[in-house]
Amino acid sequence: GENVEQHPSTLSVQEGDSAVIKCTYSDSASNYFPWYKQELGKRPQLIIDIRSNVGEKKDQRIAVTLNKTAKHFSLHITETQPEDSAVYFCAASPKYSSASKIIFGSGTRLSIRP
Amino acid sequence: DTEVTQTPKHLVMGMTNKKSLKCEQHMGHRAMYWYKQKAKKPPELMFVYSYEKLSINESVPSRFSPECPNSSLLNLHLHALQPEDSALYLCASSPGLAGGPRLEQYFGPGTRLTVT
Repeated sequence: GENVEQHPSTLSVQEGDSAVIKCTYSDSASNYFPWYKQELGKRPQLIIDIRSNVGEKKDQRIAVTLNKTAKHFSLHITETQPEDSAVYFCAASPKYSSASKIIFGSGTRLSIRP
Repeated sequence: DTEVTQTPKHLVMGMTNKKSLKCEQHMGHRAMYWYKQKAKKPPELMFVYSYEKLSINESVPSRFSPECPNSSLLNLHLHALQPEDSALYLCASSPGLAGGPRLEQYFGPGTRLTVT
């Protein structure tokens, strides 16, 4: 089955700097890659996603890149702010015929230093 | 209504109790999910319902019993749980099915379950 690895497990950056989180997946048939942000005590919140027919997607300060050949995808946050502090999960969706299923990475705890 | 709601927010139950978790969405989504999340871990898929039919059961013990009464509601019936089942139980919904145009999943706030 699909396996998603995520690095680093913790990341501390200075406010205003950029943060990059990287993931790899094992199933070459996976075709959907969402990223979730989970603040302490809150629900996971979808922040951006990308499909396998697209190499890059941006939404304001957040961007995701996908390299299908290498089975890598990454989250880039620019001009980080204190409210970006949270746990970020990458995920991959293996292609099923009857339902969608996403496999999560282990998470990255991002801390923004003032 | 653009949110997934879950009740109760917190639940404490003994190992001999029977209880149920409830999840509701009114976004017209046709797939609904139950996840279990332990502290400092990612959500772990338990069940997927697609068009009110159980389509994925991730080898979950029978003490967890899902039910989808209609397209807006999802229940998780709990019976004879163990202390290690204590966790945050998250419900999610998504508009479409694999291969379709809409795969994004939206999570409810979760039920924090403690088994004593």
